Amino acid sequence: ELKVEQNPLFLSMQEGKNYTIYCNYSTTSDRLYWYRQDPGKSLESLFVLLSNGAVKQEGRLMASLDTKARLSTLHITAAVHDLSATYFCAVTKGGNYQLIWGAGTKLIIKP
Amino acid sequence: DTGVSQDPRHKITKRGQNVTFRCDPISEHNRLYWYRQTLGQGPEFLTYFQNEAQLEKSRLLSDRFSAERPKGSFSTLEIQRTEQGDSAMYLCASSLGGLVWGQETQYFGPGTRLLVL
Repeated sequence: ELKVEQNPLFLSMQEGKNYTIYCNYSTTSDRLYWYRQDPGKSLESLFVLLSNGAVKQEGRLMASLDTKARLSTLHITAAVHDLSATYFCAVTKGGNYQLIWGAGTKLIIKP
Repeated sequence: DTGVSQDPRHKITKRGQNVTFRCDPISEHNRLYWYRQTLGQGPEFLTYFQNEAQLEKSRLLSDRFSAERPKGSFSTLEIQRTEQGDSAMYLCASSLGGLVWGQETQYFGPGTRLLVL
């Protein structure tokens, strides 16, 4: 059974600092997604990662994928308050289109 | 295009009542998904349509739940004889299949928040 674990589940940090969120999954996966969710809002797609060593960057966020370790990271550089949200990773496998989700990392960035 | 829309945004009902939610996907998207999300958790997959065909159902989808997608456009999710444990955010997503493999992204609607009293 495909399972996804994120850590930390909660992170409070100061503006300007760097930090990394980790996403581990239990069995081979074809695709890994990162989504952002603001309180009371829906999910916004950030990245999709397909292959080992894939790296994608958008602004202060950079996501990477190590399929051998079954690990993805979401790195935040010089955090700003606007990045406060809950970040989810999700994976899917084969022809199965359902996404299996982590529990989310709630990120609070203090001015 | 305004994205995925869901209606209603909020629903309060009494235990034992039936409720129906609607999802309108992005117009050219052929795939549609329903998920359920409880507070502090990631979404849980419920069901998936490709065009009008319901191709996958989670074991979470008990016989009280039914989903349809007539004509491959909008979809409805009905919950019969609601229970307090059904209280959650119900999310709909859509995607365009048939692109370069693996590039498919699911786009989510704002959700319907259900409270069963």
